[in-house]
Amino acid sequence: DIQMTQSPSFLSASVGDRVTINCKASQNINKYLNWYQQKLGEAPKRLIYNTNNLQTGIPSRFSGSGSGTDYTLTISSLQPEDFATYFCLQHNSFPYTFGAGTKLELK
Amino acid sequence: QVQLKESGPGLVQPSQTLSLTCTVSGFSLTSYNVHWVRQPPGKGLEWMGVIWSGGNTDYNSALKPRLSISRDTSKSQVFLTMNSLQTEDTGIYYCNRRGGYWGQGVMVTVSS
Repeated sequence: DIQMTQSPSFLSASVGDRVTINCKASQNINKYLNWYQQKLGEAPKRLIYNTNNLQTGIPSRFSGSGSGTDYTLTISSLQPEDFATYFCLQHNSFPYTFGAGTKLELK
Repeated sequence: QVQLKESGPGLVQPSQTLSLTCTVSGFSLTSYNVHWVRQPPGKGLEWMGVIWSGGNTDYNSALKPRLSISRDTSKSQVFLTMNSLQTEDTGIYYCNRRGGYWGQGVMVTVSS
C-alpha cells in the first residue's frame, strides 16, 4: 500500500496568512493527488484534484502543486471559513490512501 | 442535480453484519463509479472500496475478507455489506462519486 505522510498535523495561523500543507507519498503517484477540506460534522469537500486542478466553486486562494512523491496545498490568504481539517488522497493505485490530516486552527 | 445519500442502522452488535445503502440521483450507476469511505470518530479517512460503472469491484485489502459492495441499477442503489463487525468499525460511512460528490454520511456504532 502507498503510505501518505501528511505534515504538519496541526497548524496555527491567522487570517490573511499564507499556509502550506504537505503530503509525501511512499512512491510515485503520478500526480493522482486530491485535497479535501472537512469541517466538523460535515462530509469532506474536494478542493483540488489531480494535484493542481481547482474544483468548481472553490476560491482561487487554494492551489496545489507537486509531482512524483511530494505534493503541496497552499492557501494564499487565510479566510475565517478556512479553519478546518485538510486531507490528501492518492488515487494512483489501490488501495487509495489518505493522509492523516492537518488541523488548521486560528492563532 | 447529483446527490448521494447513505442509510442504514445506527447501531450494530459486535460480530454482526453491517448493511448500508447509498441511494443516488442525478446520474446513472452504469456511467459512474461509487466509492465507500469511512471515518472513525475524531480520526482520519479510510478508503474501503469501489464498484465500477461496469459492475466490477475493488476493495481495500485490509477489509476484503469481510467486505462486499454490490448495486441495483434499477433502483439507483449501491450496497455495502461488512461482516464480523468489531468496535473499531464504529464511525461515519460515506459514499462518493467522481467529481467530488459525497453523501452526508451515516454514523454506525458497533456496541452491545
